[in-house]
Amino acid sequence: KNEVEQSPQNLTAQEGEFITINCSYSVGISALHWLQQHPGGGIVSLFMLSSGKKKHGRLIATINIQEKHSSLHITASHPRDSAVYICAVEGTSGSRLTFGEGTQLTVNP
Amino acid sequence: ETGVTQTPRHLVMGMTNKKSLKCEQHLGHNAMYWYKQSAKKPLELMFVYNFKEQTENNSVPSRFSPECPNSSHLFLHLHTLQPEDSALYLCASSQELGGRAGEVAKNIQYFGAGTRLSVL
Repeated sequence: KNEVEQSPQNLTAQEGEFITINCSYSVGISALHWLQQHPGGGIVSLFMLSSGKKKHGRLIATINIQEKHSSLHITASHPRDSAVYICAVEGTSGSRLTFGEGTQLTVNP
Repeated sequence: ETGVTQTPRHLVMGMTNKKSLKCEQHLGHNAMYWYKQSAKKPLELMFVYNFKEQTENNSVPSRFSPECPNSSHLFLHLHTLQPEDSALYLCASSQELGGRAGEVAKNIQYFGAGTRLSVL
């Protein structure tokens, strides 16, 4: 069992829908990262958070340290949001990241 | 544009070839990383360098040989690879390694676009 579990693995939505991607982890962490990977491979860091909630445009990330759970929300989804969203946790002893398998999001027009 | 450039973007090689992947970052970072991403699997950390010194080798076979001549450049030398080594190889950099509590922003990793490697 992977230390970082994401759900769902695949998600298809219609443009405009509210989207939630979940991440659960089983180890102590110093921070949790949400990353976006577009077709072709490039990865972009969306959020790094260690508590509470962060918002950037239509993206919202929340984390519950006690429950070892984080969610990534996308409001008013758009086809350009189609990508793989990856959750990664940073251990307490350094910046080594442990990654989830990713969630493939497809937003149809 | 993340400030981390990888070349080549695509590489096809035979099992007896020797090739090198290159990564360059223009962010003034001190830590650099090599990752392997295989289909349907999470990213796997391969190597970590901090101030040009290797700090982590995640049990990577010796047919992968990293080189870090300075904090801005990272190479991955490949020789006698196997077909199962076909994957996307990603380079990343961060300001530093293991930042102190309250300085976690220094641990954000910036990724290159990757090299898609096919071993025939």
